[in-house]
Amino acid sequence: EDKVVQSPLSLVVHEGDTVTLNCSYEVTNFRSLLWYKQEKKAPTFLFMLTSSGIEKKSGRLSSILDKKELFSILNITATQTGDSAVYLCAVGPYNAGNMLTFGGGTRLMVKP
Amino acid sequence: GAGVSQSPSNKVTEKGKDVELRCDPISGHTALYWYRQSLGQGLEFLIYFQGNSAPDKSGLPSDRFSAERTGGSVSTLTIQRTQQEDSAVYLCASSLVGENSYEQYFGPGTRLTVT
Repeated sequence: EDKVVQSPLSLVVHEGDTVTLNCSYEVTNFRSLLWYKQEKKAPTFLFMLTSSGIEKKSGRLSSILDKKELFSILNITATQTGDSAVYLCAVGPYNAGNMLTFGGGTRLMVKP
Repeated sequence: GAGVSQSPSNKVTEKGKDVELRCDPISGHTALYWYRQSLGQGLEFLIYFQGNSAPDKSGLPSDRFSAERTGGSVSTLTIQRTQQEDSAVYLCASSLVGENSYEQYFGPGTRLTVT
């Protein structure tokens, strides 16, 4: 059975801090790993990673995948209160378009 | 262009009643997914449609749950004889399908409360 584990479960930081969120996985026929940000209801897409060692970056957010050790990290630098959300990691199998297996999420709270 | 839309946004129903939840995917997206998110939990896959292929129903929790997708676009998730444990946010997502891996785009969800 495919499995995705995120850590920590929750995190409280102050504005300006840097955070690292972790995602480890066990999945057959791995194809891609995705990060989403969920503030209220709809998760919004952040990154999709398919290759090891290639960092994806968007503003203050960046992510990298290690397919040998089966994990990914999501970094957020110079955190802002607007970064407060649940961050979800999901993995998808090789067959294009198939369902994603999600981790339980990391709840991040950024205090002013 | 419009994103994924879902209706209703909130639904309160009495235990034992049937409910229908609707999803309009992004135009041109041939893959459509339903997920469920219980309070404080991660997303749980329910069912997946791709084009005219038979849907992947492997995530449906019981035979009270069913879904259909008409004309390759709009989808309806039906829950019969609702139970209190069905209370959750039901999220729909859509994506392109092809040789590459494509991200899924989520709708705002329907919050279902069974009293």
